[in-house]
Formats: sequence, structure tokens, C-alpha cells
Amino acid sequence: GQQLNQSPQSMFIQEGEDVSMNCTSSSIFNTWLWYKQEPGEGPVLLIALYKAGELTSNGRLTAQFGITRKDSFLNISASIPSDVGIYFCAGRPTGANSKLTFGKGITLSVRP
Amino acid sequence: DTAVSQTPKYLVTQMGNDKSIKCEQNLGHDTMYWYKQDSKKFLKIMFSYNNKELIINETVPNRFSPKSPDKAHLNLHINSLELGDSAVYFCASSQAPPGGEAFFGQGTRLTVV
Repeated sequence: GQQLNQSPQSMFIQEGEDVSMNCTSSSIFNTWLWYKQEPGEGPVLLIALYKAGELTSNGRLTAQFGITRKDSFLNISASIPSDVGIYFCAGRPTGANSKLTFGKGITLSVRP
Repeated sequence: DTAVSQTPKYLVTQMGNDKSIKCEQNLGHDTMYWYKQDSKKFLKIMFSYNNKELIINETVPNRFSPKSPDKAHLNLHINSLELGDSAVYFCASSQAPPGGEAFFGQGTRLTVV
């Protein structure tokens, strides 16, 4: 089945720094989604992307749908302590009943 | 006004027992899912229902049986629980056909002892 690659598994940054995460796929995707999960909670949708090349922002977060349709990145600017959590990319390939596949997630730590 | 709610939040039970997890969404979505998150935080889809009809059934032991009485509810029943079933189970829903923007519940942490 489809696989999404997210790496590294963990990232450690200083408060105020920008951080970029990317996600790659072996297949072409029609949809890219980015989620954040905090301890004890379910994943929360941050940004949804539907067109190749699309660049979308949500506050300090910006995500892009790669033009090859096989990758996406998420950028967090001016990080703050509450940005800590697990960031998942998810994608849906072509096909009517294709399923949403998740990457393994990146655990982000922000040092004050 | 919780969008996707699942109960219980925590479930501790002995091996061999049968248990159910309930899920309800008030978003008016047509599609609902069950995901399993293991100890390494990997999210894997188990089932998907669209308008009460099963459309995705991953390789899941048949001890797991989803039931959708209506499109706002998707329950998960697990028979003969095993230690390896311990995980966090998430219910989710989406408006679009399977794979659209999915909105998740808070999860049910199942511990089998």
C-alpha cells in the first residue's frame, strides 16, 4: 500500500526558531493534510491542500502541496512552547475509495 | 458541542473479555472511520463506513466488528480481547468520499491485562 515518509522522528528547536517538516510519498496524491496531536488528544487538522503547488497559511503555519504531487511540507515560524506535539502528514491518492494514509509523525519539542 | 465524541475515554479489561467503543459525530458527515494508534504513535486505518455501508476493511482480525446504526454513529465491538489489542482507538469522520479531511475524536485508550 501507499507509504508516507516523514523524518526525522523527533525535532528539537529553540523557542522563536522556524522549523520545516516534509513528507514524501511513493505515489501521486490528490490531497495532503497536516495534523497536530497533543498528549491525550486526537489529531487536529491544521491545513488541507488540494492542488499541486498550492500554498496555504494558518497563522504561523504554512504548508505547500508539492508540484510533483508526491510531497508536501509544513513550516512553523517563530515557534512557541505550545507548538510541541506530534505533527502528522496524511495524504489521499487517486481513486474513488482511496484511503487516507498517515505518515509516522514527527515529535516536535520547543525549548523555552 | 463536541464534533466527534467517543466513549469511553479509558477502558481497562482482562484478556478474553468482549468490549465496545461508541462513536458519534454531529458534523453531518457521511463517512466515519476507526483508526488504531499503536505505542509508536502510528495511525492505521481499520474500517471506513459511508452512509452506514462498509467500504474499507483493512486486514483486521475478525474479532473486531464495526456497526453503524445510522450515519452519525459508528461503534466498534471487540471480542475475545488479547494483550496485543492494547492501543488508542480513534473514531473520525469526513464529509468527502473516504480520504477527505477527517476530524478525529479524543480517542479511547484500551488496556488489556
